[in-house]
Amino acid sequence: NAGVTQTPKFRILKIGQSMTLQCAQDMNHNYMYWYRQDPGMGLKLIYYSVGAGITDKGEVPNGYNVSRSTTEDFPLRLELAAPSQTSVYFCASSYSGQLSGNTIYFGEGSWLTVV
Amino acid sequence: GNSVTQMEGPVTLSEEAFLTINCTYTATGYPSLFWYVQYPGEGLQLLLKATKADDKGSNKGFEATYRKETTSFHLEKGSVQVSDSAVYFCALSEAPRGQNFVFGPGTRLSVLP
Repeated sequence: NAGVTQTPKFRILKIGQSMTLQCAQDMNHNYMYWYRQDPGMGLKLIYYSVGAGITDKGEVPNGYNVSRSTTEDFPLRLELAAPSQTSVYFCASSYSGQLSGNTIYFGEGSWLTVV
Repeated sequence: GNSVTQMEGPVTLSEEAFLTINCTYTATGYPSLFWYVQYPGEGLQLLLKATKADDKGSNKGFEATYRKETTSFHLEKGSVQVSDSAVYFCALSEAPRGQNFVFGPGTRLSVLP
């Protein structure tokens, strides 16, 4: 059971570089999310998607872009990396229909350092 | 909007002590409630959940009861172990808008042998 898979697990970027964090889920979930977690802090929602072709901004979208061309994949792109983007990034997914109690499943995280 | 409030940490306990981590919520409708746990260096994992009032979620000796009258979902464990040291997040979601997951700030628990 793969669940939510993120790559890479660790990455060091120089200021101004760009990169893409990959995320894939094999649970046929319609909703996918990107969160960041700064040291000792809670989760902040960057972007989310309710289905293929649809994305929306979360709480902290500046400096990031996403796309959702398929149900399975939800990559997060960092353009012009800045030290403030040093964080741990979590991809997550959930199934949302008319039933309550939907659970959100997380990937293992991607540790990103911008120097 | 919806929100989740948790007791501030860190919480430090001795092994076999009783644990309570308080969680209260504000929601416009009838949310589902969750506790997630994050062990050092790992992602968040679902610990337990409850989908309606008076439901009790339980897992690995932890339990929490959905109290609509007090809008609370306190996490309890009768006897903690060193391996329970982690950060615990209370969360809610309101169906059918699955994107409406709201997480509390997390409570760090340290259990000493």
